[in-house]
Amino acid sequence: AQTVTQSQPEMSVQEAETVTLSCTYDTSESDYYLFWYKQPPSRQMILVIRQEAYKQQNATENRFSVNFQKAAKSFSLKISDSQLGDAAMYFCAYRSAALDTGNQFYFGTGTSLTVIP
Amino acid sequence: DTGVSQNPRHKITKRGQNVTFRCDPISEHNRLYWYRQTLGQGPEFLTYFQNEAQLEKSRLLSDRFSAERPKGSFSTLEIQRTEQGDSAMYLCASSLNTGIYGYTFGSGTRLTVV
Repeated sequence: AQTVTQSQPEMSVQEAETVTLSCTYDTSESDYYLFWYKQPPSRQMILVIRQEAYKQQNATENRFSVNFQKAAKSFSLKISDSQLGDAAMYFCAYRSAALDTGNQFYFGTGTSLTVIP
Repeated sequence: DTGVSQNPRHKITKRGQNVTFRCDPISEHNRLYWYRQTLGQGPEFLTYFQNEAQLEKSRLLSDRFSAERPKGSFSTLEIQRTEQGDSAMYLCASSLNTGIYGYTFGSGTRLTVV
């Protein structure tokens, strides 16, 4: 089974600054999808950004961007101009592109982000 | 459509009792997933449905767990003879087709077994 590792249990950032959350994964597959999800306290998980492994270009969504390094199996999330509303648990997730096995997400253990006013 | 709805939000039960949770997915989504999230961990896959068919079950889904999705609409997850180790957040998610664009999650049902 694929494994996803988030080595930073907690991170903090000053409001308006930039922070990078790390994620590495282990797979023998060449085609897959990677995601970052945000889980605010007591609220539902929300998709932040998505990356397709066959695309070399890093995905961006407004203040959120990723650094996808396929060879290194690394998928970090950069949050620019951090806002108080960005405070949440962030989960990195992997999903195979295979038709027979690509029916579940594998999640990391999460990084709790605190935004300091 | 207000998204994925889960009920109840919280459930406290005594060990040995049966509990049932409900999930109402986004109406046009044909796939529905159940995940379990324990403290300090990311969500772990339990099972998924395509329409009314349950197509995959994780080894985490012991014989005490059963899930249904009659008529391909809402889904229920039942845990029989609950144990303290069942205490967790149970998350439901739905997607259109394969979910390669991501899931829409519900807010979860937090189960506490005392």
